[in-house]
Amino acid sequence: QQPVQSPQAVILREGEDAVINCSSSKALYSVHWYRQKHGEAPVFLMILLKGGEQKGHDKISASFNEKKQQSSLYLTASQLSYSGTYFCGTDGSGNTGKLIFGQGTTLQVKP
Amino acid sequence: DAGVIQSPRHEVTEMGQEVTLRCKPISGHNSLFWYRQTMMRGLELLIYFNNNVPIDDSGMPEDRFSAKMPNASFSTLKIQPSEPRDSAVYFCASSISGRVEETQYFGPGTRLLVL
Repeated sequence: QQPVQSPQAVILREGEDAVINCSSSKALYSVHWYRQKHGEAPVFLMILLKGGEQKGHDKISASFNEKKQQSSLYLTASQLSYSGTYFCGTDGSGNTGKLIFGQGTTLQVKP
Repeated sequence: DAGVIQSPRHEVTEMGQEVTLRCKPISGHNSLFWYRQTMMRGLELLIYFNNNVPIDDSGMPEDRFSAKMPNASFSTLKIQPSEPRDSAVYFCASSISGRVEETQYFGPGTRLLVL
């Protein structure tokens, strides 16, 4: 079952914050976040595993609420380089690397 | 270090022709994934291998698609015969051992256009 991402698109000014949500109708073991720029390959951001942890690096962080079967990606003080499409990939079994990706959230940061 | 290598980067072919996409995973990675990305369907997993063995091919659209991994450093995805609806970007990704907590590293992709 494909996870649902929201919002579908967001436009920000430099320095503003954004939150991207990823929800699943099935129990989750892990959530993987990737960013893809136009015409390029998806680039790994972070993985969150079952346990409700929160991770972050630089000004991008994420949380995972396994009870609610959802994860959120937080972009703080956005930069122009943050523009792109963000995907969450989910796994429900914990046994394999098989990920199901959401439809993506397009983020545009303007000067 | 070299990342995942895919070839060709672009492919334009006519309906009915055979298409072969190639992938070289990161050295030392034992799991390889083939994905297809379209506007309509997003990023979907077609098949993945662990130690050169196909583990899950439930995402392969139909019999026209086949994938092989003859050794640890090479995989192919073949479409025969190709159809216009196969037009998409095909990504190959690899990870160390296919465990869910591992990062999958994506190659640059092959843009396929079937006329």
